[in-house]
Amino acid sequence: DGGITQSPKYLFRKEGQNVTLSCEQNLNHDAMYWYRQDPGQGLRLIYYSQIVNDFQKGDIAEGYSVSREKKESFPLTVTSAQKNPTAFYLCASSPLEGWRGYTFGSGTRLTVV
Amino acid sequence: AQSVTQLDSHVSVSEGTPVLLRCNYSSSYSPSLFWYVQHPNKGLQLLLKYTSAATLVKGINGFEAEFKKSETSFHLTKPSAHMSDAAEYFCVVSSPSRDDKIIFGKGTRLHILP
Repeated sequence: DGGITQSPKYLFRKEGQNVTLSCEQNLNHDAMYWYRQDPGQGLRLIYYSQIVNDFQKGDIAEGYSVSREKKESFPLTVTSAQKNPTAFYLCASSPLEGWRGYTFGSGTRLTVV
Repeated sequence: AQSVTQLDSHVSVSEGTPVLLRCNYSSSYSPSLFWYVQHPNKGLQLLLKYTSAATLVKGINGFEAEFKKSETSFHLTKPSAHMSDAAEYFCVVSSPSRDDKIIFGKGTRLHILP
């Protein structure tokens, strides 16, 4: 079955560390997205990519970095510059015409300890 | 420009009674509209979508939504709530315009009372 896989499900980070969240899809979707979800704030777009080796900042890109070396993969690095990284992170993918709707992964909960 | 407003942050209904989750939108173009459901610590699952075909859209788990252009609304309904419906629901608007991003509402938490 085609789908989108995020790993790990839970991640703990010490202050000052960088961590990388994995997102892989086998839907042959061109576009991939990273969202951050905090209670009561809905989903906020961090980064998105519509083509390999190209990506765009979303609304809250500061303290995050991404790469898109393969169509199937869009890893997100949460750097030590991100002041408040504890959140639920969701990866999504869509055909290039994103207005047709997204497919979401099951999320990664990141906690700073 | 597009926007979406979910009118209630929390809704509580008793099991077996109807569910109504309200969503209003604005869009410069003919929009596509979606409802997603999210259970705790899970990703978002597509419930249903409207993309300019029939205005009454049927989705999974007995949910449906009606696109009303004159009211700029896309409310989600279900005739009889089940305990398993307790979750957060997101209304989403998008359009084919390259200038418009997909926009998520802030979510409505549905509580089911026994």
